[in-house]
Amino acid sequence: QQQVKQSPQSLIVQKGGISIINCAYENTAFDYFPWYQQFPGKGPALLIAIRPDVSEKKEGRFTISFNKSAKQFSLHIMDSQPGDSATYFCAARSSSGNTPLVFGKGTRLSVIA
Amino acid sequence: DGGITQSPKYLFRKEGQNVTLSCEQNLNHDAMYWYRQDPGQGLRLIYYSQIVNDFQKGDIAEGYSVSREKKESFPLTVTSAQKNPTAFYLCASVRGGLGTEAFFGQGTRLTVV
Repeated sequence: QQQVKQSPQSLIVQKGGISIINCAYENTAFDYFPWYQQFPGKGPALLIAIRPDVSEKKEGRFTISFNKSAKQFSLHIMDSQPGDSATYFCAARSSSGNTPLVFGKGTRLSVIA
Repeated sequence: DGGITQSPKYLFRKEGQNVTLSCEQNLNHDAMYWYRQDPGQGLRLIYYSQIVNDFQKGDIAEGYSVSREKKESFPLTVTSAQKNPTAFYLCASVRGGLGTEAFFGQGTRLTVV
């Protein structure tokens, strides 16, 4: 049973456009929702994260939107740049018991000029 | 510099051999994790350890073993019982207690020859 479902699997966006990646979760105990960015041959790095007490968090060109009732959250990348081309993973965990992060299957983003 | 070091970066294994992947962290983090990454599969949890001398199986522990004798070290052994070991292996650590951000190493790519 996949606890975090991520879509789309791949995404091609024009330079300057908006990239949108969606995730849905099932476990209502999840209370921490990070997004990770991974470049080829490298380990993932934390991009931005949100907790369910807010509906939106913005850091520069990156925004997380969170819908607790729908159990969905999404990453928006504004003014997408070729340097944003990478694989993006959503994840979730419950801080109760310090449980491990559960990851979505990833979205490969290509930003073309 | 604080961080997580995985070694080697590339590893080749003959069928029937056991191999050990190294993961060392100097972040003073309590929890450490091993994930396996395959194309289109996201990151799947192999084993994790919340504290020294204790560890738990993740979703795909069969054919793997770990130890946690020191806080800073969490080696992963891929045994001959793992039928499809070719993959990218990622080690991560998280500060204990209310810590949330997972820091990843640069990964080890294991190939069976």
